Order: sequence, then structure tokens, then C-alpha cells
Amino acid sequence: QKEVEQNSGPLSVPEGAIASLNCTYSDRGSQSFFWYRQYSGKSPELIMFIYSNGDKEDGRFTAQLNKASQYVSLLIRDSQPSDSATYLCAGRRGSARQLTFGSGTQLTVLP
Amino acid sequence: DAMVIQNPRYQVTQFGKPVTLSCSQTLNHNVMYWYQQKSSQAPKLLFHYYDKDFNNEADTPDNFQSRRPNTSFCFLDIRSPGLGDAAMYLCATSKSFYLTEQYFGPGTRLTVT
Repeated sequence: QKEVEQNSGPLSVPEGAIASLNCTYSDRGSQSFFWYRQYSGKSPELIMFIYSNGDKEDGRFTAQLNKASQYVSLLIRDSQPSDSATYLCAGRRGSARQLTFGSGTQLTVLP
Repeated sequence: DAMVIQNPRYQVTQFGKPVTLSCSQTLNHNVMYWYQQKSSQAPKLLFHYYDKDFNNEADTPDNFQSRRPNTSFCFLDIRSPGLGDAAMYLCATSKSFYLTEQYFGPGTRLTVT
């Protein structure tokens, strides 16, 4: 079992809809979680960082963390074609030095 | 703007010919990482530095080495590149480890001919 799992997709949503990206993790010691957006051929770009249970909002993006159920999600409201990318979820155990990445979910927002 | 810079952005090398990739940062972060990412895969950590403290991942091939001469710069040396080393190499930085973000540079696309 992978430590961080994501549905590889592709996930397609129409423009203006809410895109919901999900991530589950197996290590209960994981304390902080990161969502990165990666366009094809480019490097990952940090979107959100969450370590407390509940929701964290930043513009059109909302990260949700549920430690009891061991899942993290990213909601993208009013999806735009420019949001089409691969979204990587990563977790970090306490003060561990490395992040554990999921394999990413490919999102396509259809005009 | 504070940032992570990688040079070159594209590197072509011949099979077996040593190559060095560079990373610099203006964030004054203590931690610098090198990742390898192949197509449609997650980034794979090769090694990292906390200040001058070097940490090698157990499965990083001996062919890969790194140097960090000062806080701002870090180098990835591939001593004898093979065809399987063709990938995107990503440098990332972090202020520390606990509850802090990790920022990636733009990457260097390595092609081995």
C-alpha cells in the first residue's frame, strides 16, 4: 500500500464547476499536507499547505484535512481551463525531512 | 523576488559524460533538496542538505552526488549518465522541516544521447 494515494484520473469537469481532488494517507504520524499543481513539462507549484483538521481557504482553493479518516482534499471553485494540470498531494510526518508524494491526479477543465 | 533558480533549464549530455546541474536560492532557506522526476511519476527524492548536513536516500545510485558550498548554492553531479537518468531534475528548498512549505525551482530537463 502506498503511503499517499491519489486517483490518477483523468478527472474532467466543465468550466465553472467545482473540481474535487482527493488524497488518502496511511501514516497516522503524518501531520502536514501539501497540494502542488504541476503543468506538463513544468515544476510543481505549491498551492496550499494544511496541518490542522478542517478547512483552509485561499481564493478559489479550499484544502480540507480529516485526520480521523486520513484524507486530504482540494476543492477548486469556478474551475478554469487554466486549472488543467496534474495535482500532487504530499504529506510529511512530524519533523521528517522528506515529503511523501502521491502519484498525482490529472485534472482537465473543459471550456 | 525571492526564488529558486536552476541552471541550465535544458541539458543534453552524452552517455557516460559527466554533467553538473546547479541550483541557487535567494530565500535563505536552510534545507535544499534534489528530486528526480520521470514522466507521469511523482518526484523522487535523491538527497537533501540541512545547512551542511548531507543526507542521501538509501536508493539513490552512487552515480549521483551533490555539493553545497554555501547556503545559496547546491549542485547535482551525475558522474556517468545512463539513458535511464534522462528526467527532470528538481531542486527544492524549505526553511526547516516542521510545518514549513517546500518550494520547487523550475527544473532542469536532462536528455542523455
